[in-house]
Parts: sequence; structure tokens; C-alpha cells
Amino acid sequence: DVKVTQSSRYLVKRTGEKVFLECVQDMDHENMFWYRQDPGLGLRLIYFSYDVKMKEKGDIPEGYSVSREKKERFSLILESASTNQTSMYLCASTPGGVATSTDTQYFGPGTRLTVL
Amino acid sequence: KQEVTQIPAALSVPEGENLVLNCSFTDSAIYNLQWFRQDPGKGLTSLLLIQSSQREQTSGRLNASLDKSSGRSTLYIAASQPGDSATYLCAVPSGYSTLTFGKGTMLLVSP
Repeated sequence: DVKVTQSSRYLVKRTGEKVFLECVQDMDHENMFWYRQDPGLGLRLIYFSYDVKMKEKGDIPEGYSVSREKKERFSLILESASTNQTSMYLCASTPGGVATSTDTQYFGPGTRLTVL
Repeated sequence: KQEVTQIPAALSVPEGENLVLNCSFTDSAIYNLQWFRQDPGKGLTSLLLIQSSQREQTSGRLNASLDKSSGRSTLYIAASQPGDSATYLCAVPSGYSTLTFGKGTMLLVSP
């Protein structure tokens, strides 16, 4: 079974702090994704990566950056956390290359981030 | 831009009922549609994936249908159980391996 893990289930940070959220997958997937999920807004894509050191902006990249130095690890970085970044953050991965009609996304358990 | 709508936003039923969750999408040029389940405070779990060449996909008590021409999908849950209580999300491809999600239907099955 594919396993996607996230470094923390719950995280509390202060405004202005630099925050790192880590995601690791164990199935040699090429594509990895970061979403945030908010009540009434659903899941929104922040960034995704289709290869090591490659990244693409999603729908809401402002205030975030990402890093992918190794294939299995995809990090989301909040350079200076703000209260409006309080949210549930979900990481996902899919098998590599061009998408096929049978590809599904495998999700991690999520990180509930609170910025005070 | 692809938009995905799910109706109803919330549903409460007694145990044993059959129920239908609805999903509609604006761009019918999709190659699959997926249904996910999310338990409170948890990540998403894939339930069913229907390829564009298929009309239905079944897994146990779950049956999902896809009508690309009308931009609709339904998730049918037979003989609902309290353990089915969760949020159900549908999603369609929207670019390079990315997905656009609906906002979900929150289902509560009472004993």
C-alpha cells in the first residue's frame, strides 16, 4: 500500500514565524501536491511538483513556497506565518509522468496548523 | 476553468436507507472522475475511480456512475450504516495530474 506521511498532525505557531511542513511518500511517485482545506472553500491547490527540484504554482501560492530536493519528500514553507494561514494542510502523491485515466491521488493524514 | 458542485452539502439519514450523492462539473472533457471519503480531521481516501470510457464502477455497497455528456456523476450507497458517516468529495482532472474538488457532502447516518 502507498503510504504518505506528514511530519505533524497538529502544529501551533506564532505570527511571523517560518514554518516547515514535511511530506514523505514511499512509493517512488513522481508527482506530489500540497493543498489547504478550509470550511466552505473546500480543497485548494497551493503547489505541486512533478520531479525533483521542479515545482508549479497551484491556485493559491501566495505566502507559500516549496522544496523538493529528494523524490520522496516535498516540503511546504510558510516564510512568515500569518493568522489567515490557519488551516488544514494536506499532502498527496500520484504515480509519475503523464497522467493516465487510472491514476488516483494518495493523501496523507493532514496537518492542522494554527497561527496565533 | 473547471468547476465542481456537490449537492446536497449535508445529508442525515437513518441506518439502512439507500442514498444518492450528486456531483456536477462544467467541463466534460475529463478522462476520469473520482470519489473520495474524508473522516473528520483526517486525510482523503479514494473510494472509486471511473474512467471516461466507463459508465459505472462498483465497490461493495458503493456504486458510482458517470454521464460525461451531462456533466454529472452520482454516488449510490446501499443499506447505509453509521460507519458510512463522513464527508464525500468528488474530483475531476484539471491539468497536469492536478484535480479540482467539489466542496463535499457531509453524511450522517444515525443508528
